[in-house]
Amino acid sequence: GEDVEQSLFLSVREGDSSVINCTYTDSSSTYLYWYKQEPGAGLQLLTYIFSNMDMKQDQRLTVLLNKKDKHLSLRIADTQTGDSAIYFCAETVNDYKLSFGAGTTVTVRA
Amino acid sequence: EAGVAQSPRYKIIEKRQSVAFWCNPISGHATLYWYQQILGQGPKLLIQFQNNGVVDDSQLPKDRFSAERLKGVDSTLKIQPAKLEDSAVYLCASSPSVEETQYFGPGTRLLVL
Repeated sequence: GEDVEQSLFLSVREGDSSVINCTYTDSSSTYLYWYKQEPGAGLQLLTYIFSNMDMKQDQRLTVLLNKKDKHLSLRIADTQTGDSAIYFCAETVNDYKLSFGAGTTVTVRA
Repeated sequence: EAGVAQSPRYKIIEKRQSVAFWCNPISGHATLYWYQQILGQGPKLLIQFQNNGVVDDSQLPKDRFSAERLKGVDSTLKIQPAKLEDSAVYLCASSPSVEETQYFGPGTRLLVL
């Protein structure tokens, strides 16, 4: 199974906030990433957080990191239809390699 | 700045046939990765190159998969012979160095019948 765990599905109403959660395993992970994958496309880097930070905000995106619980979350404010996609959490392991979760499919309903 | 380019975008083959995928990384990126993404899963690393040398190929099924990056720029990934379970999206990524952020191409979707 995946070392990085995410819930599989999230449905959110347009204009509401989305929160995607992730748990990871390697306490020595240097960076933690969020990637977005739209249908038929590759992975688009959304944001990342360095392990010595608790929070990072980038426009509508807020990343929270709880190192004690090895928990990472991504909040999307004012969710739009264009935010419908699969969101992958990834941790860096062993020489900066990426280990991905299975992805959370976010569906934005009108 | 141009992103990571991959071709073909789609490929359908029969089992036991051979297939090759091509990747052109972002200009100047020394590190290149090939990932396999099976439907419903996250990407899994197959092989990592630093310039034209292999850094990690521990997850590459070497009996049927091979990859090269001869001049330290473009890379090809080959499967010979293909099996049904090889059906997946093959993603190429590059980064300026191994410690830096990886940028992904659009992927090649392979269907093995």
